[in-house]
Amino acid sequence: KAGVTQTPRYLIKTRGQQVTLSCSPISGHRSVSWYQQTPGQGLQFLFEYFSETQRNKGNFPGRFSGRQFSNSRSEMNVSTLELGDSALYLCASSFGQGDTEAFFGQGTRLTVV
Amino acid sequence: AQTVTQSQPEMSVQEAETVTLSCTYDTSESDYYLFWYKQPPSRQMILVIRQEAYKQQNATENRFSVNFQKAAKSFSLKISDSQLGDAAMYFCAYRFNSGNTPLVFGKGTRLSVIA
Repeated sequence: KAGVTQTPRYLIKTRGQQVTLSCSPISGHRSVSWYQQTPGQGLQFLFEYFSETQRNKGNFPGRFSGRQFSNSRSEMNVSTLELGDSALYLCASSFGQGDTEAFFGQGTRLTVV
Repeated sequence: AQTVTQSQPEMSVQEAETVTLSCTYDTSESDYYLFWYKQPPSRQMILVIRQEAYKQQNATENRFSVNFQKAAKSFSLKISDSQLGDAAMYFCAYRFNSGNTPLVFGKGTRLSVIA
């Protein structure tokens, strides 16, 4: 069974641009969560989607947004990129909301220059 | 707010030896889950072991076991017979047992395994 797939794996963007990252969860999983990982702040929760609805949101500015499609695939978007947005963005999928086992993808490494 | 603290930024262990990684957490809740995740250079977070707070028995998965001390809010990971493939970042994480609460991670411990 295929795992969580995140695309692209690497991305370089310029300050002020916007970016869209994609996450395809494990087949049958309906919950997708996004996390930002940086050396300074560690892993921080961005948001969680379940059945196309945002169920929870972390403490990030409105430049960070996301959505989930009917096939459970999820995208996150960051507008007006800042240097501090450089990070590894990890997506995790689980079968249901609050499911205790989350499966992570390999992440998208975003570099803002 | 819940917090998770890993006080050892780096650890090293000889191959075949045993190492213990420390984790403490702060919560006022009684129903929650604790996890240890491994992140190798490939960057993919892999679940190593999970503990339900209501279970007194410590979880064990092959060479990995935990020492869960609920009153002390401590959750350490013991790796026995360490192997070169165990070298990675290890993250302790907490999740309150309610529908849509996220994982709260510690800052991680980098484990090196010496041949």
